[in-house]
Amino acid sequence: DAKTTQPPSMDCAEGRAANLPCNHSTISGNEYVYWYRQIHSQGPQYIIHGLKNNETNEMASLIITEDRKSSTLILPHATLRDTAVYYCIVRVDSLVKQLTFGKGTKLSVIP
Amino acid sequence: EAGVAQSPRYKIIEKRQSVAFWCNPISGHATLYWYQQILGQGPKLLIQFQNNGVVDDSQLPKDRFSAERLKGVDSTLKIQPAKLEDSAVYLCASSPHRTRNTEAFFGQGTRLTVV
Repeated sequence: DAKTTQPPSMDCAEGRAANLPCNHSTISGNEYVYWYRQIHSQGPQYIIHGLKNNETNEMASLIITEDRKSSTLILPHATLRDTAVYYCIVRVDSLVKQLTFGKGTKLSVIP
Repeated sequence: EAGVAQSPRYKIIEKRQSVAFWCNPISGHATLYWYQQILGQGPKLLIQFQNNGVVDDSQLPKDRFSAERLKGVDSTLKIQPAKLEDSAVYLCASSPHRTRNTEAFFGQGTRLTVV
């Protein structure tokens, strides 16, 4: 699976949009971009995933650049409960391919 | 739907003792994972089951760790004997048996402290 690079930490003011970047310059054509988050003392939680088109769900939006070498997870109106470690993962869509987690980005939402 | 259940939530043991963790995945999920998460790091896969068969156990320290998933439902992960460096959170996750775009659902984990 392709390697990802994320900033170790970010701050965001409560109510503002949180934009979390991820670089995956070696991504292959059949690899998806997944985002998970892990709130303190909990297991990781799935947020969103995409291949090449932008995606949106009730939690977040995922913007993937045209060359697919980077992506941005957007939390449109961050709340204190969004404080967590956010993991960007690329993987082939296959039953036998596990999620490989890096260190992620620690997002702190500030009142 | 009920989530992935793990027990116990916390466990403290002395080095060289043995310990077992239990996981009950979401009903109907064929794929089950055990991850180890050391403080400050992302989770690392230990073993992946598809029903009751092992798909990937390449990162499982087989000299001390073992896991089973009898009947393709519940799973147990055992450490015998434990070392200090085994102190970590052990996460269980499950995925439905679909051919595309499977998301994994994680339990809350078991925090193991080896003293």
